[in-house]
Amino acid sequence: GAGVSQTPSNKVTEKGKYVELRCDPISGHTALYWYRQSLGQGPEFLIYFQGTGAADDSGLPNDRFFAVRPEGSVSTLKIQRTERGDSAVYLCASSLHSGTSGGNEQFFGPGTRLTVL
Amino acid sequence: RKEVEQDPGPFNVPEGATVAFNCTYSNSASQSFFWYRQDCRKEPKLLMSVYSSGNEDGRFTAQLNRASQYISLLIRDSKLSDSATYLCVVTRWTGNQFYFGTGTSLTVIP
Repeated sequence: GAGVSQTPSNKVTEKGKYVELRCDPISGHTALYWYRQSLGQGPEFLIYFQGTGAADDSGLPNDRFFAVRPEGSVSTLKIQRTERGDSAVYLCASSLHSGTSGGNEQFFGPGTRLTVL
Repeated sequence: RKEVEQDPGPFNVPEGATVAFNCTYSNSASQSFFWYRQDCRKEPKLLMSVYSSGNEDGRFTAQLNRASQYISLLIRDSKLSDSATYLCVVTRWTGNQFYFGTGTSLTVIP
């Protein structure tokens, strides 16, 4: 497809379980971003990849959260020992490249709605 | 202090009205500015970038005031389809990390 895709669209899990959320960016986009959005709030930055490396992971709330992008395309956000407070919509975005010149506009996927019971 | 602040609204306006949203940002080193639109239970979609000289796209006009550190969005001749949440976005000098406001809710009433 032409846009960013994310799977699953919905995930319900129990407290303490491990979850993986997948993001497939727009083809050719080198930069990939993960955000978390809670009800009534704007998206909150988690981590950013430039190519295969995590260029900025300052938004990850704690060490239960981890993300990878091994081949510079698809990315997986991993959450260990989930807590009820992790419930949110997890959004992935990609951009042609990063930086402040043109082409840094981010295009978002539809998100994964995570519910931790 | 939050990186980006927006009035959450809601703004309820009749069709055909003109409505303006403002957004303030705290970091004077911020470099790139955008307005995104988000429909209920959907992802944010880029509405327009905001340039120092101001820019217009049809019924939408965006302005940037660096001295006062605010961004505005003006919507003229409001349509029912404009009903959505409008998110103000600011980036740091690296341009990588997007800071979103909480969004301003707009409902256009017939």
